[in-house]
Amino acid sequence: KQEVTQIPAALSVPEGENLVLNCSFTDSAIYNLQWFRQDPGKGLTSLLLIQSSQREQTSGRLNASLDKSSGRSTLYIAASQPGDSATYLCAVLNNAGNMLTFGGGTRLMVKP
Amino acid sequence: EPEVTQTPSHQVTQMGQEVILRCVPISNHLYFYWYRQILGQKVEFLVSFYNNEISEKSEIFDDQFSVERPDGSNFTLKIRSTKLEDSAMYFCASRSTGQTGEAFFGQGTRLTVV
Repeated sequence: KQEVTQIPAALSVPEGENLVLNCSFTDSAIYNLQWFRQDPGKGLTSLLLIQSSQREQTSGRLNASLDKSSGRSTLYIAASQPGDSATYLCAVLNNAGNMLTFGGGTRLMVKP
Repeated sequence: EPEVTQTPSHQVTQMGQEVILRCVPISNHLYFYWYRQILGQKVEFLVSFYNNEISEKSEIFDDQFSVERPDGSNFTLKIRSTKLEDSAMYFCASRSTGQTGEAFFGQGTRLTVV
């Protein structure tokens, strides 16, 4: 059974810092990995998707990497802003494509 | 930009009542999913649906739950006899079978069982 873990569970940083969120998964037989953002009481917004054959993806100030063999992904946020404050979730899609398994999330607070 | 739409946004129901949560997936997507998130907890998989049948389900998805695609656009989750512990945010998602397989989620239905 796939298990996804995110470290740290919570993070508070001053505005402008670069930061790294970590995600690990136990079964490397994945189709892809997605990073999502969730604001309090809201839905899940897709940020980045990395296919299993890729090593990284970039979107603006966000960069996600994937090391499938070691079961790890990182989300790098450059020059953090207060508007980045949210919970960040990683999720892996199994090879059958019928189950996306989520980590517990990292709750990020960026202080002005 | 295409999006997944869920209705209602919030539903309050009495314990033991049946509820139907509705979703309109993105039109050319073929995989559909339901997830739930109890307040302060992880997003948990309930069920996936492909080619007009359940593809995978979790142990949470017991006999009180059912899913249906009644027409070409809607995807519903029915809870037959709600319990207090069914109170949660329920998310619908869809994805294409294209190369990226990116999943898109709706804004959720907050279900409160009283």
